[in-house]
Amino acid sequence: GAGVSQSPSNKVTEKGKDVELRCDPISGHTALYWYRQRLGQGLEFLIYFQGNSAPDKSGLPSDRFSAERTGESVSTLTIQRTQQEDSAVYLCASYRGGSGNTIYFGEGSWLTVV
Amino acid sequence: QQQVKQSPQSLIVQKGGISIINCAYENTAFDYFPWYQQFPGKGPALLIAIRPDVSEKKEGRFTISFNKSAKQFSLHIMDSQPGDSATYFCAASRAGSARQLTFGSGTQLTVLP
Repeated sequence: GAGVSQSPSNKVTEKGKDVELRCDPISGHTALYWYRQRLGQGLEFLIYFQGNSAPDKSGLPSDRFSAERTGESVSTLTIQRTQQEDSAVYLCASYRGGSGNTIYFGEGSWLTVV
Repeated sequence: QQQVKQSPQSLIVQKGGISIINCAYENTAFDYFPWYQQFPGKGPALLIAIRPDVSEKKEGRFTISFNKSAKQFSLHIMDSQPGDSATYFCAASRAGSARQLTFGSGTQLTVLP
C-alpha cells in the first residue's frame, strides 16, 4: 500500500480482555517498529523487527505484551489481560533501510481499556 | 532515563512569528536527529532531519540548528502559520540501531491567527 496501515483505528475493550492490533507496513520496508503514545506524552519504543532477524523486544513493558511479524509483511501486537494503564495510541512505523531513509508512521490504533 | 529532553511543553505564537523548540540529548553516540510533526488523530510525519556533521539545515520555513558540543538541537519555524499548529517531537538515533528513535516528550504549538 501507499502508507503504513493500522487496524483497528479505535478499540474499546474491557479490563482483562486480550486485544490484537495489526500493522501493514509499506511494501518493501524491511524494518517495522511499534511505539506506544500515552495521551499528551511522547512516543515510547516497544519492539522492532528487521527482516528475518530476531526482534528487539527491549521496550515491551511486561510479558502481557507480545508481537509477531511474518517475514517482511504484516505484524500483530497482542496485549493480554489488558489493564487501564494500557490505554494509549499504538503506532506502527516502517523503514526501508539505508542511510537517510525516512521512517513512516501509521495513524495508530487508539486503545481504551475500561 | 530520559535520553532526549524537549522544551517547552507548549508554545503559543502569533501568526508571522518565530517558533523555537529546543531539545537536549545525553547519548553522544546519537548521529541522526529528526523532527516529527503530528496533527491530532494522525501519526507523526518527518518534518526535517540533521546529522551532526553540519550545524544548520534549512528547508523552507523550517530550520534545525545543531550544537554538538552542547548536545543540543532546536527547531525554528519562521513566519509561523495557523496551519503549523501541531505537536512537534524531536528524536535521536544512533548508527547501527536501524534508526530506532528515542523521542522527546513533545511540544504542542498553537499559532494564533
